[in-house]
Amino acid sequence: QVQLQESGPGLVKPSETLSLTCTVSGGSLSGYYWTWIRQPAGKGLEWIGRIYTTGSTTYNPSLRSRLTMSIDTSKNHFSLKLTSVTAADTAVYYCARGSTVPSPWGQGTLVTVSS
Amino acid sequence: DTQMTQSPSSLSASVGDRVTITCRASQDISHSLAWFQQRPGKAPKSLIYAASTLQSGVPSKFSGSGSGTNFTLTISSLQPEDFATYYCQHYKSYPYTFGQGTKLEIK
Repeated sequence: QVQLQESGPGLVKPSETLSLTCTVSGGSLSGYYWTWIRQPAGKGLEWIGRIYTTGSTTYNPSLRSRLTMSIDTSKNHFSLKLTSVTAADTAVYYCARGSTVPSPWGQGTLVTVSS
Repeated sequence: DTQMTQSPSSLSASVGDRVTITCRASQDISHSLAWFQQRPGKAPKSLIYAASTLQSGVPSKFSGSGSGTNFTLTISSLQPEDFATYYCQHYKSYPYTFGQGTKLEIK
C-alpha cells in the first residue's frame, strides 16, 4: 500500500524559499502524477500543482511565478520549492498521488512563515 | 478559474440521520467533480469521483449525483465517524479548485 510522507523545515522566514519533499514508500513514482495541495489553518484547500514522472508540470497560475516542482524517481521522491514566501504561504502542505482526484494523501506538514 | 460554492457551510445532524450537501460550480464542469472527507487533524480522503463513482473501499452510504454546475453528496445513516468536513473539487480545467467545505457536526 503506497504511503506518502512530507518533510522539510517547519519555519521559513519571509522572502526566503520554502522547500518540501514528499517521499513515497510502498510503490513506484513511475506512471503517476503527483500533486501538492495546501491548507491554511482553519481554511479550505488550495491546489498548488502537479508533476508527472517525466518531470512535466502544471502549476496553479496564482503561484506559477514562484513555484518549481521536481521529481527524482531514483530516490522515490518529489519536491516543491516556493520562493519569496510571505505569511500568506503559511499552511499545512500535503502531497498526494494522482492528478484529477488525488489519493492517497500524505499526513501533511505545517509550514509557518515568520521572522 | 472555476469557483466552487458549497452549501451549507455547516450542518448539524444526529446519528442515524440522512444529510445532503450541495456543491455548485461557476461554470459547466460536466461530471468532473470529486468529494473528499476530512476528519480533524487528518488529511482529506477521497470518497467520490466523476460526480457519482465511489472510490474503492468507500461504503455505499455515501452517494453523489449531479452534472454541469449542480452536484450533491448524500450521506445516509450517519455514524459518529462521519462527522467531519466535506469538500467538493472540480477537475475540469486548471487550476483545480475546491469548495470552501461543509462541516458536519453532531446535534
